[in-house]
Amino acid sequence: SQQGEEDPQALSIQEGENATMNCSYKTSINNLQWYRQNSGRGLVHLILIRSNEREKHSGRLRVTLDTSKKSSSLLITASRAADTASYFCATDGVGSGGSNYKLTFGKGTLLTVNP
Amino acid sequence: DAGVIQSPRHEVTEMGQEVTLRCKPISGHNSLFWYRQTMMRGLELLIYFNNNVPIDDSGMPEDRFSAKMPNASFSTLKIQPSEPRDSAVYFCASRGTSGGVLADTQYFGPGTRLTVL
Repeated sequence: SQQGEEDPQALSIQEGENATMNCSYKTSINNLQWYRQNSGRGLVHLILIRSNEREKHSGRLRVTLDTSKKSSSLLITASRAADTASYFCATDGVGSGGSNYKLTFGKGTLLTVNP
Repeated sequence: DAGVIQSPRHEVTEMGQEVTLRCKPISGHNSLFWYRQTMMRGLELLIYFNNNVPIDDSGMPEDRFSAKMPNASFSTLKIQPSEPRDSAVYFCASRGTSGGVLADTQYFGPGTRLTVL
């Protein structure tokens, strides 16, 4: 079953605007990651936030995590046409040993940034 | 670093034929993952290996699918016989063992787009 669910499924904005994507998950996690996929390409890791962190920044990316609500958001500021891609959240499961677990991906948010 | 290498990039075959997808993980990585991506089901984990040993193959759809990792630098995913519903993009990903964020990050190959007619 799908662990992470992104919202919205699709988002279209103008260059320079901010884009916010949300992810909800169901079970306890060690960490949550965001990946980007350009059309016809593999996924590229963007940022990882651990379960004991609430916010993390990387360049124009800002990720928040609310473990009480089992949700995360990815904010891309000052968007560019090159940010056009699908964005996926991925969660690991807390299992015995607690680490090095497989990731479960959501179905993604398709972001279109219009020039 | 060449990244994760997959071959072929595109494969078109007829129903009933055997298909073999290949993956070379990043050197030094000890975990390898095979995923399938379709519009309907999204990205699904098929199987993952740790130190060349299959750890979890619960995502493998059925007996027609098999995966091997004979050594740390090579893995195959085989479908025999193939069916039209197997049409998808198949990704291989690898992960290293160093501590911190790098240990939890998966590095994806470019994928193999499989079309079964």
